Amino acid sequence: EDQVTQSPEALRLQEGESSSLNCSYTVSGLRGLFWYRQDPGKGPEFLFTLYSAGEEKEKERLKATLTKKESFLHITAPKPEDSATYLCAGKSGTYKYIFGTGTRLKVLA
Amino acid sequence: ETGVTQSPTHLIKTRGQQVTLRCSSQSGHNTVSWYQQALGQGPQFIFQYYREEENGRGNFPPRFSGLQFPNYSSELNVNALELDDSALYLCASSLGEGPGANVLTFGAGSRLTVL
Repeated sequence: EDQVTQSPEALRLQEGESSSLNCSYTVSGLRGLFWYRQDPGKGPEFLFTLYSAGEEKEKERLKATLTKKESFLHITAPKPEDSATYLCAGKSGTYKYIFGTGTRLKVLA
Repeated sequence: ETGVTQSPTHLIKTRGQQVTLRCSSQSGHNTVSWYQQALGQGPQFIFQYYREEENGRGNFPPRFSGLQFPNYSSELNVNALELDDSALYLCASSLGEGPGANVLTFGAGSRLTVL
């Protein structure tokens, strides 16, 4: 069965304290690994897509990496505005995205 | 460029009632999918519509149904509401093909509470 598991469930960081979020996946016919950011009361907002092991993408303080079984979202020197829930999703086949339960990140000033 | 808009934003229903949720897709997007997000959980795929046809469905019963209109807007209908249907319902649009076809653009959701 297709599955995406994220850890930790919640993470509290001090401003400037770098860390990584983990996404383990088992998705048949994987057609991309996606990272989204979700703020309270809003829909998920697209961050990155990764397609093959070894691929990396960066955006401001965020960097996403992909292996054959896991993806990591590295947050370098986070700021309070980076506080959100980060969702990982694997695309199975042509239309179905399997989401993890997310990591709730809180960055303290 | 307008994003994905959903209505209503919040609604309360009682068990057994029916509900219709609406979604306007992002300009230029011809594919719409619906997701259910329970509190503290990730979104769960309900179904996808492409060119007015359902072309994929998740593990949801038939009382969850939908429509896509010629302008690519969409509706989600849920009959015989149950307490467990309480959730945030997210609509996402995307391009059906070409660069960027994989990226989902989500609306802010419709928060449904079933009493």
